[in-house]
Amino acid sequence: RKEVEQDPGPFNVPEGATVAFNCTYSNSASQSFFWYRQDCRKEPKLLMSVYSSGNEDGRFTAQLNRASQYISLLIRDSKLSDSATYLCVVSYSGGYNKLIFGAGTRLAVHP
Amino acid sequence: ETGVTQTPRHLVMGMTNKKSLKCEQHLGHNAMYWYKQSAKKPLELMFVYNFKEQTENNSVPSRFSPECPNSSHLFLHLHTLQPEDSALYLCASSQEDGPTADEQFFGPGTRLTVL
Repeated sequence: RKEVEQDPGPFNVPEGATVAFNCTYSNSASQSFFWYRQDCRKEPKLLMSVYSSGNEDGRFTAQLNRASQYISLLIRDSKLSDSATYLCVVSYSGGYNKLIFGAGTRLAVHP
Repeated sequence: ETGVTQTPRHLVMGMTNKKSLKCEQHLGHNAMYWYKQSAKKPLELMFVYNFKEQTENNSVPSRFSPECPNSSHLFLHLHTLQPEDSALYLCASSQEDGPTADEQFFGPGTRLTVL
C-alpha cells in the first residue's frame, strides 16, 4: 500500500465550479499535513497546511480526519489559474521532518 | 538571488559521463534535501542533510553521491548513470526548528536526461 494515496485525476471542471480532492495516508504516526501545488514543469510550492480543526484560505478549504487518516482540499469558484497538480503531503519527525508526497491530482479548469 | 536556486536547469549526459548538480539556498535554512521526480510518480526523497550532516540516504544507488560543504550549498555528483535515472531532480531546504519546521522550499529543479 502506498504511504499517501490520491486520485490521479485529471479533474476537468469549468470556471466557477467547486472541486474536492481526497487523500489517505497509511502511517498513523504522521504529524503534519499539507497541500502543495505543482504547475507543469515547475517545482512544488506549499499551498496550505492542514490542521485538525480544518482551515480556510480564501477559496481553499482543507480538512483533516485523523481517525480515518483522510485529508481533503476543497476549491470553490475555480479559476483558470487553479489548473495544476495538487500534492497531498504528510510528515513525521525522525531526527528531521520527513515529507512523504502523494503522486498528485491533476486539475484542469476550462473556460 | 532569493529562495532556492539550482544549476543547471537542463542536463543531457551519456552513461559514462560524470556531472554535478548544484543547489544553493538563500533562506538561512539548516536542512537541505535532494528529491527525484519521475513521470507520474511521487517525489522520492534521496538524501537529507541536517546542519551539514547527512541524516538519511534513502537506499540510493552509489552512482549518486551527495556533498554538502556548508548549510547553504548542496551538490549531487553523478557518474555512470542509467537511462532510468532520467528525471527531474529537485533540491529543497527547510529550517529544522521553530514554527515552520515542516515547510520545505523547493528549487526549480534540474531536468536530467541520460542517453
